[in-house]
Amino acid sequence: GQNIDQPTEMTATEGAIVQINCTYQTSGFNGLFWYQQHAGEAPTFLSYNVLDGLEEKGRFSSFLSRSKGYSYLLLKELQMKDSASYLCAALDSNYQLIWGAGTKLIIKP
Amino acid sequence: ETGVTQTPRHLVMGMTNKKSLKCEQHLGHNAMYWYKQSAKKPLELMFVYSLEERVENNSVPSRFSPECPNSSHLFLHLHTLQPEDSALYLCASSQDPLGGANVLTFGAGSRLTVL
Repeated sequence: GQNIDQPTEMTATEGAIVQINCTYQTSGFNGLFWYQQHAGEAPTFLSYNVLDGLEEKGRFSSFLSRSKGYSYLLLKELQMKDSASYLCAALDSNYQLIWGAGTKLIIKP
Repeated sequence: ETGVTQTPRHLVMGMTNKKSLKCEQHLGHNAMYWYKQSAKKPLELMFVYSLEERVENNSVPSRFSPECPNSSHLFLHLHTLQPEDSALYLCASSQDPLGGANVLTFGAGSRLTVL
């Protein structure tokens, strides 16, 4: 079957760095997405990776290893507003999105 | 308004009620989606519409009935729901659902509670 695994919850300190991991098992692979969802709000697009390597967007970076079925989202210089759930989703060979259950990130002062 | 707008934001209904959720997108996108989001579970795709035609129905019970009158509007009609249907219902849109890595733009959701 197809599956996405990511930690349920993580805690980090304001100003620090946190890495949220995501492993996937899909029938074929056409890329991996990360979305951010603040409580009570819409999920919003953060990143899309289809090639191996690291892509940086300001304080946020996303990494992909296709051979390992692994991705991570790296958040630097954490701010209180980064407290949110982070959703990992992989595109399979039929371009269907397979979603993880999300990682709730708690930022402490 | 811009983006994807969902109404109502909160809905409480009994198991014998009939209600509808509404979604409107102002992005000129060609595809619209309904997702169910339950606590600590992955997003569940319910329905996909492309250019007002339903292209996917993921074995959703018939008590959920979608309607897409045009490319900007999407409804989810609810009838004789069960308590386990209580969840956040998210609407999303994208430029094109068929192939490609389509970025989804989501609405803030309708929080449904079935008593």
